[in-house]
Amino acid sequence: GNSVTQMEGPVTLSEEAFLTINCTYTATGYPSLFWYVQYPGEGLQLLLKATKADDKGSNKGFEATYRKETTSFHLEKGSVQVSDSAVYFCALSGVTGRRALTFGSGTRLQVQP
Amino acid sequence: GAVVSQHPSWVICKSGTSVKIECRSLDFQATTMFWYRQFPKQSLMLMATSNEGSKATYEQGVEKDKFLINHASLTLSTLTVTSAHPEDSSFYICSASSDRGKNSPLHFGNGTRLTVT
Repeated sequence: GNSVTQMEGPVTLSEEAFLTINCTYTATGYPSLFWYVQYPGEGLQLLLKATKADDKGSNKGFEATYRKETTSFHLEKGSVQVSDSAVYFCALSGVTGRRALTFGSGTRLQVQP
Repeated sequence: GAVVSQHPSWVICKSGTSVKIECRSLDFQATTMFWYRQFPKQSLMLMATSNEGSKATYEQGVEKDKFLINHASLTLSTLTVTSAHPEDSSFYICSASSDRGKNSPLHFGNGTRLTVT
């Protein structure tokens, strides 16, 4: 079946550090890939997405590239801020027409001033 | 942007009672809504897919008689946890989309924390 694997957290960084959160997936066909963010006390928000191989999604300084050859969609940001502290979820959808998202386990990011 | 409102945000109930959670799309018509459950420090697990005007499709292992889903209009879906037990305590989240395209964005509610005592 479909699955998403994320690096375990928490990830603790100092402000302005470089961020990478690894995400790999298993799916038949060609899924769409997403990163969602959940700030404390809030619901999930779409951060970025990519719908086909080699696409790069980007938003708010975050980037992720759909790598079909390595089945990966790693999230990166060059310089994190305290306000980026949240839980980040990698997800996929669209396999065999299924629209529901399959989520990874989430990675908590803590950015210290 | 599109807003999904989920109510209540938290609820405490006694074992054996039923609890209804509402999910509303405020500024768009949601043809499909999804209900997820999130255990502490774990990911979201899909419980069921709700299509307006038809029966919900439940994921394997989810008891349809215990988790009743109704999607009576294009802006409202409800999840009723019947005869709740402490093991049903969890964070329930709905999401909604305005069309059926596989790449159309899903909008999430803020979730409902259910505690069964």
